[in-house]
Amino acid sequence: NAGVMQNPRHLVRRRGQEARLRCSPMKGHSHVYWYRQLPEEGLKFMVYLQKENIIDESGMPKERFSAEFPKEGPSILRIQQVVRGDSAAYFCASSPPQGESYEQYFGPGTRLTVT
Amino acid sequence: AQSVTQLGSHVSVSEGALVLLRCNYSSSVPPYLFWYVQYPNQGLQLLLKYTSAATLVKGINGFEAEFKKSETSFHLTKPSAHMSDAAEYFCAVSAFRGSTLGRLYFGRGTQLTVWP
Repeated sequence: NAGVMQNPRHLVRRRGQEARLRCSPMKGHSHVYWYRQLPEEGLKFMVYLQKENIIDESGMPKERFSAEFPKEGPSILRIQQVVRGDSAAYFCASSPPQGESYEQYFGPGTRLTVT
Repeated sequence: AQSVTQLGSHVSVSEGALVLLRCNYSSSVPPYLFWYVQYPNQGLQLLLKYTSAATLVKGINGFEAEFKKSETSFHLTKPSAHMSDAAEYFCAVSAFRGSTLGRLYFGRGTQLTVWP
């Protein structure tokens, strides 16, 4: 049973470009979460999604950031017009439907570098 | 609202010594509590979790943690450190009801160094 998959593992973008980060949850998991880890800090919640629904996006910056989890395919975190401050590790986690388990299983992360 | 404080950003122990990593939480509702471990350039791996069952929780790799409601603590321990335990450890809290259901709040992490 494959774990949470994220790609790319490393992404380099110039300022002003777009970054697309992909996350495929574990089989049978219908909940996806995105977290950002800045240097010397813990992980900060960004967004919580179910298939075709954004449940909680209160941790997302108001501009340039968006996330989706379509009916088919991976979840996508999109950052438009990247700036140096967006450089961080972005982690995706997935969990089974609520009530079955409250554990979140993390992917290996995408390390975004903005030059 | 939920939050986590990890006391000590760096902890060093000798191989074979007791490991104690401290975590205190704040939660307006009964919490779920977790410890995760992160090795360099990798994702987070769940060590153990507390979800309102037994207050002493055993996890993988010989780690355990005790939920103490009166102290709002969930400290992580291991009787005898191994070199392979060197990593960063994160404590996290989640609410099992309310508007923040599902969201994990993480502490800033504790880097564990194990000396031979």
